[in-house]
Amino acid sequence: QKEVEQNSGPLSVPEGAIASLNCTYSDRGSQSFFWYRQYSGKSPELIMFIYSNGDKEDGRFTAQLNKASQYVSLLIRDSQPSDSATYLCAVRTGGAGSYQLTFGKGTKLSVIP
Amino acid sequence: EAGVAQSPRYKIIEKRQSVAFWCNPISGHATLYWYQQILGQGPKLLIQFQNNGVVDDSQLPKDRFSAERLKGVDSTLKIQPAKLEDSAVYLCASSHTHSSTDTQYFGPGTRLTVL
Repeated sequence: QKEVEQNSGPLSVPEGAIASLNCTYSDRGSQSFFWYRQYSGKSPELIMFIYSNGDKEDGRFTAQLNKASQYVSLLIRDSQPSDSATYLCAVRTGGAGSYQLTFGKGTKLSVIP
Repeated sequence: EAGVAQSPRYKIIEKRQSVAFWCNPISGHATLYWYQQILGQGPKLLIQFQNNGVVDDSQLPKDRFSAERLKGVDSTLKIQPAKLEDSAVYLCASSHTHSSTDTQYFGPGTRLTVL
């Protein structure tokens, strides 16, 4: 059973602070890792993906991957009230022709003005 | 570029009735996915198509759920008969290819309520 674990939150941070969202996964064969943002009542939208160990930065967002620890995180710098949403971690496993994307339950982030 | 289209956006039915959802992926996207998202949980993959062939339907409750993508473009997901636990948002997503890093783009979803 492939599992993706996230703290459900809510995680509350003040405006301008750094929000840190964490995710662990069970399948060591996982190849790539995605962070999606989902506003209430809306569908998930991709923020970024990472597939190599280390950090990947995109604007205010930084994804961090540690395959040895089976851990992936998302940092949001200078958090804004508009960042308030549920953040879904998704992990891709499988082989050519049969890749699967497994989602965590999501972490609800609230940025307090 | 138009996004993934889904209809209807909302549907309310009684248990044991049947329902169908429609999805039109982004133009040129060969891979299409149907997910079920129950309130408070992440999306769960039901079925995955590559063109008009099924790649993965291991989590599809085949006794009541069916899906098709006959011409390799739009797709229909059907539930017959519906149960109370089928109340969820049904999300359709598509991607250009089936590579390990390819991005999936989601449609707005269909919110199903089974009474």
